[in-house]
Amino acid sequence: GAVVSQHPSRVICKSGTSVKIECRSLDFQATTMFWYRQFPKQSLMLMATSNEGSKATYEQGVEKDKFLINHASLTLSTLTVTSAHPEDSSFYICSAPDGGKQETGELFFGEGSRLTVL
Amino acid sequence: GDSVTQMEGPVTLSEEAFLTINCTYTATGYPSLFWYVQYPGEGLQLLLKATKADDKGSNKGFEATYRKETTSFHLEKGSVQVSDSAVYFCALSDGGSYIPTFGRGTSLIVHP
Repeated sequence: GAVVSQHPSRVICKSGTSVKIECRSLDFQATTMFWYRQFPKQSLMLMATSNEGSKATYEQGVEKDKFLINHASLTLSTLTVTSAHPEDSSFYICSAPDGGKQETGELFFGEGSRLTVL
Repeated sequence: GDSVTQMEGPVTLSEEAFLTINCTYTATGYPSLFWYVQYPGEGLQLLLKATKADDKGSNKGFEATYRKETTSFHLEKGSVQVSDSAVYFCALSDGGSYIPTFGRGTSLIVHP
């Protein structure tokens, strides 16, 4: 099946710094990628839809200036948490629909990135 | 709008017990239905899916049947193992948009 890879898997940073998380589709092209944030007790929150060659579409309540998303190529999307604060600590997960299966709604997920802001 | 409701967890079972995790949905169209599994510290991976009414998805001993009349897609396994301990997410994707709608997840803990 299709493979999506995230990096880094864990990152610890100081409050006020910025952190970049990469999401790559390894064996398929992804014109669209999704970024989720996972809160304690499991629930997934869709943060934004990343579109190759255009601006990301953010969900209501997500600060676009804080969570910068760039979809530079058909295989890479990045999420940058700017001026991170402890409340941004979370598990961030990216996903992408495989182009050939897009109509079924099936997603392929990265391994997730655990961000801890001190 | 579309929504997915899962039973709250955690579900705690002994090894070899029978598992049911309930999932019901509301959707305007004819959605595809999915179960995803998340092992500790990892992302989600597709466990099984069904794309039309009465379809049964199955994988790794898990099964779920798309029941349009009851708008349900309950996950079952006849004999769970410790290695099945994970969080299970029910999801749907309506034909108009392929952005899935997820349930809140159900944690399964299996004891030896």
